Amino acid sequence: EVQLVESGGGLVKPGGSLKLSCAASGFTFSSYAMSWVRQTPEKRLEWVATISSGGSYTYYPDSVKGRFTISRDNAKNTLYLQMSSLRSEDTAMYYCARTATGYFDVWGAGTTVTVSS
Amino acid sequence: DIQMNQSPSSLSASLGDTITITCHASQNINVWLSWYQQKPGNIPKLLIYKASNLHTGVPSRFSGSGSGTGFTLTISSLQPEDIATYYCQQGQSYPWTFGGGTKLEIK
Repeated sequence: EVQLVESGGGLVKPGGSLKLSCAASGFTFSSYAMSWVRQTPEKRLEWVATISSGGSYTYYPDSVKGRFTISRDNAKNTLYLQMSSLRSEDTAMYYCARTATGYFDVWGAGTTVTVSS
Repeated sequence: DIQMNQSPSSLSASLGDTITITCHASQNINVWLSWYQQKPGNIPKLLIYKASNLHTGVPSRFSGSGSGTGFTLTISSLQPEDIATYYCQQGQSYPWTFGGGTKLEIK
């Protein structure tokens, strides 16, 4: 069974840092691009980052560029999102998603990030 | 950035009805349009990719059409389990963007 399990969310103060992880199983992790997508408390979905299957290429929207870093360890079947300089507007449920060409075909259960003083 | 405008934002329909949700892109996205279903308390799930391709396991009462800037998601013979919020998403160019969602309720 294809499965993605996120971890690492929590409460962090503005300006703080947090690192999310996503453990993948049930498919050949190294063959797929992977992404992070977040859902705000208002239920809006926002794409956060994508990394190519081999890890050489990364993509971000301007809203997180320079603050967030996506990475992966194909030997450990794990995806990461390092988040720094966190802001209140980064508060969201963060989903790990397997990524095909232009869309997300498998989603994890998500991990909650709350940025508040 | 490509803006995705979904309508309506909410919809109430009866069991057995056929409903249509529309998604308009602010620029040409060819067929790089996907639809997702999010049931209450659950995660988003892929329904349709590349405008009209049904994802594995999705019932055939769901269908998608369109290209360029205008797209539709149609659900025929509405079932109780179709209660959800539906989102469109463009994958034509970065940053990938989502529509604001359509909340479907049963009358």
